[in-house]
Amino acid sequence: AQSVTQLDSQVPVFEEAPVELRCNYSSSVSVYLFWYVQYPNQGLQLLLKYLSGSTLVKGINGFEAEFNKSQTSFHLRKPSVHISDTAEYFCAVSDWSEATGNQFYFGTGTSLTVIP
Amino acid sequence: ETGVTQSPTHLIKTRGQQVTLRCSSQSGHNTVSWYQQALGQGPQFIFQYYREEENGRGNFPPRFSGLQFPNYSSELNVNALELDDSALYLCASEGDRENEQFFGPGTRLTVL
Repeated sequence: AQSVTQLDSQVPVFEEAPVELRCNYSSSVSVYLFWYVQYPNQGLQLLLKYLSGSTLVKGINGFEAEFNKSQTSFHLRKPSVHISDTAEYFCAVSDWSEATGNQFYFGTGTSLTVIP
Repeated sequence: ETGVTQSPTHLIKTRGQQVTLRCSSQSGHNTVSWYQQALGQGPQFIFQYYREEENGRGNFPPRFSGLQFPNYSSELNVNALELDDSALYLCASEGDRENEQFFGPGTRLTVL
C-alpha cells in the first residue's frame, strides 16, 4: 500500500511571495499523482495531475508541480501567491494492483495561509 | 461546479442506526468513488465502482457498502453506525478517458 506524506501541515506566506508545498509518496511503481485544493465547506478541486510524460506539470491558478521519481516527490509550487489561494491543499496518489484493484491515497493536507 | 451532486448535505444519526448517502455523477461518467474525510484529515478511499461493479476497495469494514445504478447515480450505505463514522463523505465521478475525478460537495454525517 502507498503512503502519502505532506511534510508541512501549515504554511504561512506573505502575499506575492513564492510558495512550495511538499509531498512525498512511498512507492514509485506506476502511479498517478494529483494535487487538489479544498476551500472551507466545499469539495475538492483538481489543481493538476501527473500521468506520464514531462515531469513538470502546469495546472490551474498558476500552480505547477514537478514529479521526481528518484526522490518519490511531487512538490507543488507557485511563484507569487494571492489572498485567494488561502485553502487546504491535498496531495494524492492512485495505483492499481490485481489484489486490490484501483486505490487512492491522500495526504493529510497542508493549510496554506496567505498573509496580506 | 463539477456537475456532481450529493444528498443530503447534512445528516444526524445515532449509534447503531443505518444510513444511505446518495450521489449523482456527471452524465456519461461510468466510474464513481466514495471517500470519508474526518475533520482535519485527508480523504480516505472507501471504494470505487465502474459500470455497477466494485473495482477497488480501501481499508473499510463490510458494513460500508455501495451501489451504482445505470442512470449515473450511486449510494453509500453504512450499517451499525459508530461514533467514529462522523465525517464528511465525498463522492467523485470520472469519465472513461479522463483520469480525473470530479468531486461533489459532500454529505456531513454526524453520529451521536
